[in-house]
Amino acid sequence: QQQVKQSPQSLIVQKGGISIINCAYENTAFDYFPWYQQFPGKGPALLIAIRPDVSEKKEGRFTISFNKSAKQFSLHIMDSQPGDSASYFCAASPGTSYDKVIFGPGTSLSVIP
Amino acid sequence: GAVVSQHPSWVICKSGTSVKIECRSLDFQATTMFWYRQFPKQSLMLMATSNEGSKATYEQGVEKDKFLINHASLTLSTLTVTSAHPEDSSFYICSARSPTGGGENSPLHFGNGTRLTVT
Repeated sequence: QQQVKQSPQSLIVQKGGISIINCAYENTAFDYFPWYQQFPGKGPALLIAIRPDVSEKKEGRFTISFNKSAKQFSLHIMDSQPGDSASYFCAASPGTSYDKVIFGPGTSLSVIP
Repeated sequence: GAVVSQHPSWVICKSGTSVKIECRSLDFQATTMFWYRQFPKQSLMLMATSNEGSKATYEQGVEKDKFLINHASLTLSTLTVTSAHPEDSSFYICSARSPTGGGENSPLHFGNGTRLTVT
């Protein structure tokens, strides 16, 4: 059973457009929600993270929106660039063990010129 | 630069042999490291938690006798895939949390992974 669901599986966006990736979870013990970016052949790198007591967090072109009641959260990439082309993973960790990172299935983003 | 280093970055071995993968924290001490497995175009699955000075904790469904983990020092954890078979071919990634702050405030750093191909 997938603890963290993610969609779409793949996404193609034109340069300058907005990329939107959605995630959902069921486990109410999850207390920390990071997003990771992974380039081919590399390990994932933390992009941005949010706690459920915050509805939105913005860092540069990246924004997380969080809906606690719906148990959904999303990543928006504004002004998408070809260099943003990568795999994106939403994830969740329980408050009792932030080290236990449960990854979503991932979204392959391609930003075309 | 990378704060968690993995070696080798790729390895090809014959079926039945064993392969050791190293994970090092370069500029901090990590009492705990984590090993993940990732199949092509799929997500990372946590395999086990490596604990310095004690036995590793394995996730459900992961064979501890197949995937031997040794946390030899505060900066080194090794994963040995024993009697490797083609189905063990995968991308193995380790991670460690730098100690500043604690909890989710300490960033979780990932290595660049090891691509294992068993022929």
